[in-house]
Amino acid sequence: SQQGEEDPQALSIQEGENATMNCSYKTSINNLQWYRQNSGRGLVHLILIRSNEREKHSGRLRVTLDTSKKSSSLLITASRAADTASYFCATDALAYKYIFGTGTRLKVLA
Amino acid sequence: DGGITQSPKYLFRKEGQNVTLSCEQNLNHDAMYWYRQDPGQGLRLIYYSQIVNDFQKGDIAEGYSVSREKKESFPLTVTSAQKNPTAFYLCASSMAGELFFGEGSRLTVL
Repeated sequence: SQQGEEDPQALSIQEGENATMNCSYKTSINNLQWYRQNSGRGLVHLILIRSNEREKHSGRLRVTLDTSKKSSSLLITASRAADTASYFCATDALAYKYIFGTGTRLKVLA
Repeated sequence: DGGITQSPKYLFRKEGQNVTLSCEQNLNHDAMYWYRQDPGQGLRLIYYSQIVNDFQKGDIAEGYSVSREKKESFPLTVTSAQKNPTAFYLCASSMAGELFFGEGSRLTVL
């Protein structure tokens, strides 16, 4: 079963614009992570936010977490063509058991 | 270089044949994982192992088997009991909650 659902499923923006994608999950978590996947490749870790944190930044990435709503958002500022990829959230409903969402396909147009 | 190595990258097999996908890591991580990804979909957990000689079923373990005889290695066998084995298979290991992925193995059953 999928723990997370990303929204939107697909997003197309112009270079320089901001991209926001959301993740909702079902059960209590210890932490939530965001990953990026280029087509046909493995996933790359972007950022981890713990359940007692509300916001975290890393470069052009900003992640928020609302445990009362069981949701998180990933904001990519000043997007670039190289940001084109699929983005997934992952949660640890159980220790060591990481469950991924369905992903958001982001296309950044040059 | 430290990382996760999956082999083979592409694999073609006839229906009814068992196939084994290799996953090796030199990151000294205790936990390892196998995920399946279908086109345009998220990742679904097949099996995971927290420590050598121990592993647990994920959400879609039927038709798959694993072993964890060494810390570095977590091979996945796709058996003939798996009804729809054509997919992209991703192996990962984890440290401090962050997952590190291999580049994947694409299995096509003819």
